[in-house]
Amino acid sequence: KAGVTQTPRYLIKTRGQQVTLSCSPISGHRSVSWYQQTPGQGLQFLFEYFSETQRNKGNFPGRFSGRQFSNSRSEMNVSTLELGDSALYLCASSVMPGQFSYEQYFGPGTRLTVT
Amino acid sequence: GEDVEQSLFLSVREGDSSVINCTYTDSSSTYLYWYKQEPGAGLQLLTYIFSNMDMKQDQRLTVLLNKKDKHLSLRIADTQTGDSAIYFCASLGDNFNKFYFGSGTKLNVKP
Repeated sequence: KAGVTQTPRYLIKTRGQQVTLSCSPISGHRSVSWYQQTPGQGLQFLFEYFSETQRNKGNFPGRFSGRQFSNSRSEMNVSTLELGDSALYLCASSVMPGQFSYEQYFGPGTRLTVT
Repeated sequence: GEDVEQSLFLSVREGDSSVINCTYTDSSSTYLYWYKQEPGAGLQLLTYIFSNMDMKQDQRLTVLLNKKDKHLSLRIADTQTGDSAIYFCASLGDNFNKFYFGSGTKLNVKP
């Protein structure tokens, strides 16, 4: 089975621009979560989607948004980019939330650099 | 919310055992996980333990859980240079709703 894929792998943007990142979960997985990883803050939860609905949200400003499509693929969008948004954005998929061991499988991440 | 803490660094010699420790605060955490992250890569799920267990062994990996002290550890037997990575502890809390990650422990294995 193919793993979680994220595109693009690397991205360089300028302050004030917006960006869209994409995540394709493992086939059969219906839940997708997004995390931001930075050296200073570690791994921080952004949001989780299941069946095209946002199920959970972390403590990030409204500039960060996401959505999930009927095929479970997910996108996250960051508008009005700030230097502090430079990070590795990780996507994780699971069969469904709250089921049994709730194993999450991570993609390789998208490295976003804001200049 | 949950607070998950880990020490930042651990250095061992090849062939020795490594023990990475983690503490958490939410006594209602249901599952606890260990992930491995190599440079430039995402997180790889290594193993997990249900909160009503106190030990789980999987080849070279042994997970110990002390629920009373809210302490989790990962022991890697016969540590190899390929085990050099950052190891994250995570807990599933808030009624199966949220994952909480530690800050990661960087394991350095010296030949």
